[in-house]
Formats: sequence, structure tokens, C-alpha cells
Amino acid sequence: GDSVTQMEGPVTLSEEAFLTINCTYTATGYPSLFWYVQYPGEGLQLLLKATKADDKGSNKGFEATYRKETTSFHLEKGSVQVSDSAVYFCALSGSGDYKLSFGAGTTVTVRA
Amino acid sequence: EAGVAQSPRYKIIEKRQSVAFWCNPISGHATLYWYQQILGQGPKLLIQFQNNGVVDDSQLPKDRFSAERLKGVDSTLKIQPAKLEDSAVYLCASSFDPDRGRNEQFFGPGTRLTVL
Repeated sequence: GDSVTQMEGPVTLSEEAFLTINCTYTATGYPSLFWYVQYPGEGLQLLLKATKADDKGSNKGFEATYRKETTSFHLEKGSVQVSDSAVYFCALSGSGDYKLSFGAGTTVTVRA
Repeated sequence: EAGVAQSPRYKIIEKRQSVAFWCNPISGHATLYWYQQILGQGPKLLIQFQNNGVVDDSQLPKDRFSAERLKGVDSTLKIQPAKLEDSAVYLCASSFDPDRGRNEQFFGPGTRLTVL
């Protein structure tokens, strides 16, 4: 079945550092790919998404490109802030199937 | 626009007791999902409703878990009897109409269940 594997955490960075969280997936057909974020004490929020190969999703300075050849959807941000401290989840939904399959989550802590 | 509401936010019970969670989706959202998130793992879908019909309950442990969505709006998820391994955060999400391409899921704050 469909599955997502993402980089294990926790990840600790200094402000203005570069952040990459790796995500790879296994799915049949052409899934949609998502990054969700969970800030401390809050619910899951959609951060960005891509629905077809070579699409780039972007939001709040974060970017991720749907790479079908490497079955990857890595999340990147060029200069993180303390407010980016959160748990990040990579997820996919299969072709014609709207349920989300999530990775285990990566905890990111940004220090001032 | 009000978000997805869930209650209670926290619940502590003893094993073999029963518990129920309530979810009120965003107004007008046809699809409702219940997820279970065990500590250190990503959320796992338990059940998906389209209006008041079940679309997918393949991951729902039906010997102890049940869910309903009366009138296609609010939903309740029940566990009876609870086991220690049911300790988790139970998330409710809703989406407008995935069959029309509006499939972004909006999540509630979750209910944290501790089974002692």
C-alpha cells in the first residue's frame, strides 16, 4: 500500500540556518503530496502541496518539489526562524483516494 | 470561518471503560475523517464519511471502535472497551468536496486520550 518515509528527528538548528527534511514515498499511480505542520499546542495545518510531477509547492518561505523519478518531496527553507519550530509531516493521497497517509513526523527546533 | 471543533480536549480513563469523542466539521464540508495519532507516529486514518455514509473504515478496529455521522454534520467516535494501546490523540478533519477537487483537509485540535 501507499506509504511515506521521512527523515527522523529531532532536528535542532540556529536561526537563519538552512533546513531540509527528506521525504520519500511509495505509491501506485500519481499521488498528491503534502507537507503538514503542527505548531506547539495547535492542530495540523497544511503547509504546501503538489499534485503532479515537477510541481513545486511553496508557502511561508518553505518549498518542496514533486520528483517522480526519485519518488521524493523534500521540504526546504533557506533561512529558518524561531517561529518555525514545529513538527513537520509529509503525507500523500493516492489517485482517486482522498485519505492521507502520513510519515512519522520530524520535530524541528530553531534556537535564537 | 470557524474551524473544526472537537471535544473533549483531554480524557483519562481506565482500561475496559468506554469513551466517546465529538467532532463538528467546518460548515458545508461534506467529508469527515477520524485519525488516530499514537505518540511518535503520524496520524492513521480510522474512518472516512461522505455526508452520512461511510467511504472507508478498513482501518477501524470494529470490535471496539464505532463511529457515526448523523445528518451528515457532527460525528462521534466511540471506544468500548478501551485498551492501553488506544492511548493516542484522536484527530478529526473535514474537507469540502474532494470529488470536485476541493480536497484540502482541515484538522481540529484533537482529543488526547490516556488509558490507564
